[in-house]
Amino acid sequence: EIVLTQSPGTLSLSPGERATLSCRASQSVSSTYLAWYQQKPGQAPRLLIYGSFNRATGIPDRFSGSGSGTDFTLTISRLEPEDFAVYYCHQYDSSPWTFGQGTKVEIK
Amino acid sequence: EVQLLESGGGLVQPGGSLRLSCAASGFTFSTYAMNWVRQAPGKGLEWISVISSSGDSTNYGDSVKGRFTISRDNSKNTLYLQMNGLRAEDTAVYYCAKHLFDNSRGRCFDYWGQGTLVTVSS
Repeated sequence: EIVLTQSPGTLSLSPGERATLSCRASQSVSSTYLAWYQQKPGQAPRLLIYGSFNRATGIPDRFSGSGSGTDFTLTISRLEPEDFAVYYCHQYDSSPWTFGQGTKVEIK
Repeated sequence: EVQLLESGGGLVQPGGSLRLSCAASGFTFSTYAMNWVRQAPGKGLEWISVISSSGDSTNYGDSVKGRFTISRDNSKNTLYLQMNGLRAEDTAVYYCAKHLFDNSRGRCFDYWGQGTLVTVSS
């Protein structure tokens, strides 16, 4: 099983700042099969990025993804108030598909 | 508009059974593989099962293998999860989720239901 480790656990930032979230895999993941989701309290997750860098429909361009192999990054260029949430990476390269434990982006 | 609506959750005793349903609308259900993903209270996401578009292929996470069965009825646009031998650690919100594309590149989840809570407790 591929274990995804996200860091940091919590990111405290102010609106307008840049957020950089990391996802490290225990073994190599094809960049074709890495996604990121956003989840707000009481809501289902929302797909942000698929295939490491492709934005899902309707996702603003302040969200970007990058990486390859075992290291992947989600960047939010300028935080908007609605971006404060928990973010999960997800690998769908190798079964069982797995998620990272999440990074909470909170208002500083 | 794509909609996924789960039902069937509730309180069940350890060792008991429950059947979840997910009614789909707004897309060609029979074209897409479907999944169940769960989230224990205050915890992260755990993928538990996938079924192919036709229903002839399934896969499970290790934590539910042999206890849970995923199925679908394409004539009713409905996904199911039969859960047997339930344990306290199965307590979670259960989401159904649709694949992004109908190929291997699209095995991530672009639409999710609102979730249904399953509580396993005596």
